[in-house]
Amino acid sequence: VQLVESGGGLVQPGESLRLSCAASGFIFSSYEMNWVRQAPGEGLEWISSISSSGSTIYYADSVQGRFTISRDNAKNSLYLQMNSLGVEDTAVYYCARATQRIFDYWGQGTLVILSS
Amino acid sequence: QLVLTQSPSASASLGASVKLTCTLSSGHSSYAIAWHQQQPEKGPRYLMQLNSDGSHNKGDGIPDRFSGSSSGAERYLTISSLQSEDEADYYCQTWDTGIRVFGGGTKLTVL
Repeated sequence: VQLVESGGGLVQPGESLRLSCAASGFIFSSYEMNWVRQAPGEGLEWISSISSSGSTIYYADSVQGRFTISRDNAKNSLYLQMNSLGVEDTAVYYCARATQRIFDYWGQGTLVILSS
Repeated sequence: QLVLTQSPSASASLGASVKLTCTLSSGHSSYAIAWHQQQPEKGPRYLMQLNSDGSHNKGDGIPDRFSGSSSGAERYLTISSLQSEDEADYYCQTWDTGIRVFGGGTKLTVL
């Protein structure tokens, strides 16, 4: 199982960014996938999950209305569209596979930095 | 409200054992949790699922030194024969419909 995030970088407040997570080594279309972030020096914060088919999506209150999770099972890829970014969104963003809602595999993360 | 509470820090000597605690909020004492380890500058790694009856299922390649147990609303992670590489942050995680929850994490220092 391998999960590789990409798309992070330095952006200005108010801008948008799209993160990707490339999955391999398992049947991607069979698993719930999640995004989790970690602000500098802080703990883990779950931000969104998407069911195996993409039909059920949940968001944390902190990103509801600004972030959109999606997946392309044909491309074994997970995405996170982030709009109206603020300094509080500075973090390492991880994708994680879930088996029965347990996060059993994690990527290495991609860093998003908000700076004016 | 579903909340997981962890002590911010713990320490133990090389070769000794340590028991970390994760406490479920009131009304959620039957919930299963997962334990994750995050070594410095690395992504998290899944350690195990831990059920309310103390049964647990470990992730791939997790050594026998890591074990879990439960009592009421408390979920424990015990690490025996501590090694230097066990110095890390440990997070518990649980879920309910529509949410996934992490505890605040415990920073383990191996002396």
